[in-house]
Amino acid sequence: DTGVSQDPRHKITKRGQNVTFRCDPISEHNRLYWYRQTLGQGPEFLTYFQNEAQLEKSRLLSDRFSAERPKGSFSTLEIQRTEQGDSAMYLCASSLGGGAVTGELFFGEGSRLTVL
Amino acid sequence: GQQLNQSPQSMFIQEGEDVSMNCTSSSIFNTWLWYKQDPGEGPVLLIALYKAGELTSNGRLTAQFGITRKDSFLNISASIPSDVGIYFCAGRGGGSYIPTFGRGTSLIVHP
Repeated sequence: DTGVSQDPRHKITKRGQNVTFRCDPISEHNRLYWYRQTLGQGPEFLTYFQNEAQLEKSRLLSDRFSAERPKGSFSTLEIQRTEQGDSAMYLCASSLGGGAVTGELFFGEGSRLTVL
Repeated sequence: GQQLNQSPQSMFIQEGEDVSMNCTSSSIFNTWLWYKQDPGEGPVLLIALYKAGELTSNGRLTAQFGITRKDSFLNISASIPSDVGIYFCAGRGGGSYIPTFGRGTSLIVHP
């Protein structure tokens, strides 16, 4: 399967613990996005990479959140000192784009986080 | 920031009926994307629109990019039970490369 893959699919953690999610985009895609989705809502943008550069971050991304894409391929999203309000589905998407062309975003299956 | 209003919030229909849903934006968009999401899964892209007035079909699905560039419509003809899910619109514009999503339309199809 050559789609976007995310790991783990499910994570249950206790408040205060750190968690890390991994995303492997479609191999030829240079852009990678992280979104968060809570029940009954659409995906909300968190951050975006073009190759290894993190070009945009949402105000939703507090200081406890950090994302990396060290070699312009896979990406990680880490949440430190988790809070119950962090419980959500974390979605990764990738696209092929250059200049003003965003291209179509293709999503992974998501990583569902539950903070107890 | 950009705001999207998606309606209706939910729809309950009989198998075989046609469905129509729409999204409106507070600002002009240059791209509209329509996605379907099943429970516990990520959104799957259905149709992408890039030009005002564009009408694009994907099987029984047809989507249109509104002339004002502030709205888009998705129609599903002859619905079937596997059409059940949440449909999201997403738009991009205003100098941003980041698509903004609507809150979704939940579709339930009764056999």
